[in-house]
Amino acid sequence: DTGVSQDPRHKITKRGQNVTFRCDPISEHNRLYWYRQTLGQGPEFLTYFQNEAQLEKSRLLSDRFSAERPKGSFSTLEIQRTEQGDSAMYLCASSPGTDNSPLHFGNGTRLTVT
Amino acid sequence: AQTVTQSQPEMSVQEAETVTLSCTYDTSENNYYLFWYKQPPSRQMILVIRQEAYKQQNATENRFSVNFQKAAKSFSLKISDSQLGDTAMYFCAFLQGGSEKLVFGKGTKLTVNP
Repeated sequence: DTGVSQDPRHKITKRGQNVTFRCDPISEHNRLYWYRQTLGQGPEFLTYFQNEAQLEKSRLLSDRFSAERPKGSFSTLEIQRTEQGDSAMYLCASSPGTDNSPLHFGNGTRLTVT
Repeated sequence: AQTVTQSQPEMSVQEAETVTLSCTYDTSENNYYLFWYKQPPSRQMILVIRQEAYKQQNATENRFSVNFQKAAKSFSLKISDSQLGDTAMYFCAFLQGGSEKLVFGKGTKLTVNP
């Protein structure tokens, strides 16, 4: 068990560019979550998957954001036409799927939009 | 909507002493769960302790314990015998029963001084 892995650790991009982040959950964890954390704030829920199904999306997830988990394993989060307000830490977490089991977080991807 | 408030942006404590971090929350639900997560500098967030709202007994995990006051909607974290490795951001979080959306507070930055 190597934990939740996120790639890249850091991403710097220019406004208007598209970016994609990857998350590899702990194997056998069927639930996967994306959170966003801005400076001085706690993480905010974006979306979550049960296997390959995206079951809940936050209103924070505008139409420029899309998340996928095509085979129920790794997940990608894409942000199109990035804006400076998208600069944040994007955290991925997974859980085994038993009720209210704790989340296991990755180290996050820090996005800076210039 | 549920909210979580951590009123102490920063705290410090001397090594080996005890410190208490405050958290209050707002909900009209009866079935929920409360968590404390720790986020060390540049490291991933990990679960410290959890409390089921239906349990009257306060949760304890080694040096970490909570004071859960359901009527007051208060959920404080006590760290005994503080260690240098306890230096981190501490986030209080709320989970409504049946939901997968964790709601976090803004965090308390704890520094343990030698």
